[in-house]
Amino acid sequence: DAGVTQSPTHLIKTRGQQVTLRCSPKSGHDTVSWYQQALGQGPQFIFQYYEEEERQRGNFPDRFSGHQFPNYSSELNVNALLLGDSALYLCASSSTGLAYEQYFGPGTRLTVT
Amino acid sequence: EDQVTQSPEALRLQEGESSSLNCSYTVSGLRGLFWYRQDPGKGPEFLFTLYSAGEEKEKERLKATLTKKESFLHITAPKPEDSATYLCAVQAGAGTALIFGKGTTLSVSS
Repeated sequence: DAGVTQSPTHLIKTRGQQVTLRCSPKSGHDTVSWYQQALGQGPQFIFQYYEEEERQRGNFPDRFSGHQFPNYSSELNVNALLLGDSALYLCASSSTGLAYEQYFGPGTRLTVT
Repeated sequence: EDQVTQSPEALRLQEGESSSLNCSYTVSGLRGLFWYRQDPGKGPEFLFTLYSAGEEKEKERLKATLTKKESFLHITAPKPEDSATYLCAVQAGAGTALIFGKGTTLSVSS
């Protein structure tokens, strides 16, 4: 049973560029959430997708956008990158039919120079 | 504002020396409290979910408990492989977003 997968593993971008991160949820899960984790901090919620729509959003600017596909996989897009966007980006999947447990992928380490 | 505070920030133990990590929370309408383990550079690994005060769950050397204001993660006779950052998170109100604390970094030496 495949768990949550994310790609790429690492990414280096320059300020002002745009980036797309990808996530495939755990088998049987239909909801995908994205989190940003700065060094030494706990993950911060960015947004959550269910049925291809953004269901809930955290306190992040519009430069952060996302998408969910019919197969439940998801993308996180960040425009106009800032140095402060450097972080570990985590994808978590869950099932609306069960409790609220979220299972995380290995993350994508984004470095903005 | 919903808030989660973990203490201590860091904890060093000798192998076999039992201890507890604390997670205190201030939320409106707790739906669930979650414990995760995170190794350096990796994603959080799910450990436990607790839903109501008085609930307890165990897994190997770990035991999680919940009261109306806080949760404890008890580690009994830890081993070096238990070294990691332990994260506490809550779900509250109408949403299912996780609100995390900053974590406790545990180091167990042999």
